[in-house]
Amino acid sequence: AQTVTQSQPEMSVQEAETVTLSCTYDTSENNYYLFWYKQPPSRQMILVIRQEAYKQQNATENRFSVNFQKAAKSFSLKISDSQLGDTAMYFCASSSGGGADGLTFGKGTHLIIQP
Amino acid sequence: DAGITQSPRYKITETGRQVTLMCHQTWSHSYMFWYRQDLGHGLRLIYYSAAADITDKGEVPDGYVVSRSKTENFPLTLESATRSQTSVYFCASTRRGNQPQHFGDGTRLSIL
Repeated sequence: AQTVTQSQPEMSVQEAETVTLSCTYDTSENNYYLFWYKQPPSRQMILVIRQEAYKQQNATENRFSVNFQKAAKSFSLKISDSQLGDTAMYFCASSSGGGADGLTFGKGTHLIIQP
Repeated sequence: DAGITQSPRYKITETGRQVTLMCHQTWSHSYMFWYRQDLGHGLRLIYYSAAADITDKGEVPDGYVVSRSKTENFPLTLESATRSQTSVYFCASTRRGNQPQHFGDGTRLSIL
């Protein structure tokens, strides 16, 4: 069974600062994918970024980037120039069965951006 | 508007009652999923489906039933609701397993 661990239940930073959210995972699969999802107070689940495990290059999406350390099974999310709209719950997730068998989520990190 | 829709958005019911949560997607995605979200647990997979008439159990399937007679619909039924099933339920879909899942807006279910 896969496990995903987010060790920071809550984080708070000032607007414009850079923040890193931690995530570690455990899987016995060779073909898997990793995701970060954002859940604002509206309850929507919004994809932030996706990483293919077989790719060594770290994924980036505008202000969001990951540090993927495959051997250490670590997948942290870095948010640069944080904005008030980044305030949300952030969930790290890993896929199984190449993604066909659903996602395993961490318990989430509540990120608060202070003005 | 195309996408994935869940209904109802909110539901209150009593223990022992049967309740069905609906999920409909307009993308013709093959894969569909049901998750529940509880404080302190993140999202947990209840059931998933790779195609019409193919369903599989996830991490927490007890007390739930699913069906998928049509590609676009994936209803979740609680046959005899219990208080422990009070939760927020999310439906999701994806075209291929290696692509990101698209989530509905969720159903908040309260069982009294």
